[in-house]
Amino acid sequence: SQTIHQWPATLVQPVGSPLSLECTVEGTSNPNLYWYRQAAGRGLQLLFYSVGIGQISSEVPQNLSASRPQDRQFILSSKKLLLSDSGFYLCAWRQGQETQYFGPGTRLLVL
Amino acid sequence: DAKTTQPTSMDCAEGRAANLPCNHSTISGNEYVYWYRQIHSQGPQYIIHGLKNNETNEMASLIITEDRKSSTLILPHATLRDTAVYYCIVRAINRDDKIIFGKGTRLHILP
Repeated sequence: SQTIHQWPATLVQPVGSPLSLECTVEGTSNPNLYWYRQAAGRGLQLLFYSVGIGQISSEVPQNLSASRPQDRQFILSSKKLLLSDSGFYLCAWRQGQETQYFGPGTRLLVL
Repeated sequence: DAKTTQPTSMDCAEGRAANLPCNHSTISGNEYVYWYRQIHSQGPQYIIHGLKNNETNEMASLIITEDRKSSTLILPHATLRDTAVYYCIVRAINRDDKIIFGKGTRLHILP
């Protein structure tokens, strides 16, 4: 069966520091991968999606970037965090036309 | 923008059926109706999806109107653990199609 992992589960970082969040999927190959952000009390906002290794589409202009160095690995990064980057970051995967499944999320607090 | 309209919040007594409505009047012929829910501080959880026929699984039932312009998610015997935000989403079946989440319905199960 397929599983999706995200780490860390929670993270507190100072403004201006770098960020790296990792997402990995097991039990599938060539999945579509997605990064979402959910600010406190808000809905889910799609940030990036990827249909294959090295293929990244950005949905909104922002302080973040994404990379997909391996088929089942999706990384969200920033060189310098802003206060507004705080939120709940969710990774998701989908295989072909199947249902999209979400990971457990990473809660990021930028101080 | 999300293609669905849902009430902001709803209450339901524990043990009763919870009926969550969703309007998707601009749905296309190749778009499915998906339902997810998000319990506080967790990633969204897939519930059910359908194209035009009613669907049922161990979690819920999905009733889609004949013109497909609206649907209802039914939780047959709501428990306190069903308290969550419920998202109704329409999604085409293209490989690189993205899921756009709206604000969902916050369902409160009352003891």
